[in-house]
Amino acid sequence: GDSVTQMEGPVTLSEEAFLTINCTYTATGYPSLFWYVQYPGEGLQLLLKATKADDKGSNKGFEATYRKETTSFHLEKGSVQVSDSAVYFCALRATNDYKLSFGAGTTVTVRA
Amino acid sequence: EAGVAQSPRYKIIEKRQSVAFWCNPISGHATLYWYQQILGQGPKLLIQFQNNGVVDDSQLPKDRFSAERLKGVDSTLKIQPAKLEDSAVYLCASSLVAKGYNEQFFGPGTRLTVL
Repeated sequence: GDSVTQMEGPVTLSEEAFLTINCTYTATGYPSLFWYVQYPGEGLQLLLKATKADDKGSNKGFEATYRKETTSFHLEKGSVQVSDSAVYFCALRATNDYKLSFGAGTTVTVRA
Repeated sequence: EAGVAQSPRYKIIEKRQSVAFWCNPISGHATLYWYQQILGQGPKLLIQFQNNGVVDDSQLPKDRFSAERLKGVDSTLKIQPAKLEDSAVYLCASSLVAKGYNEQFFGPGTRLTVL
């Protein structure tokens, strides 16, 4: 079945450091790929998405590129802030489906 | 615009007891989802409603879990009787429609602890 594997955490960074969270997927066809973020005490929020190969999703300084050849959708941010401390989830939605399959989540803590 | 509301935010019960969670989706959203998020794992879909009908409940443990969405708006998820392994955060989400790309908006969740 469809599945998502993402980098284990927790990840602790200093402010202004570069962040990468790896995500790879297994799916048939051409799934849509998502990154969700969960800030402390809040619900999951969509951070960015990509619906076809080579698409780049971006939001709030975060970027991820849909790489079909490596079945990856790694999340990157060039300079993190304390406010980026959260749990990040990679997810996919299979072609012609509605269900989201989530990775286990990566906890990111940014220190001032 | 008000987001997805859930209550209670926290619940502690003993095993074999019953518990119910409530969700109020974003106004106008036809599709409602319940997810279970066990500590250290990503959310797993339990059940999806389209208006007041069930679209998918294939991963709902029907011997102990039940859910309803009367009048196609609010929804309740019930566990009876609870087991230790039901300890998790229960997330409710809603979207305009199910097909195609429609962003799912999540509530803050209900954290259930079963002792």
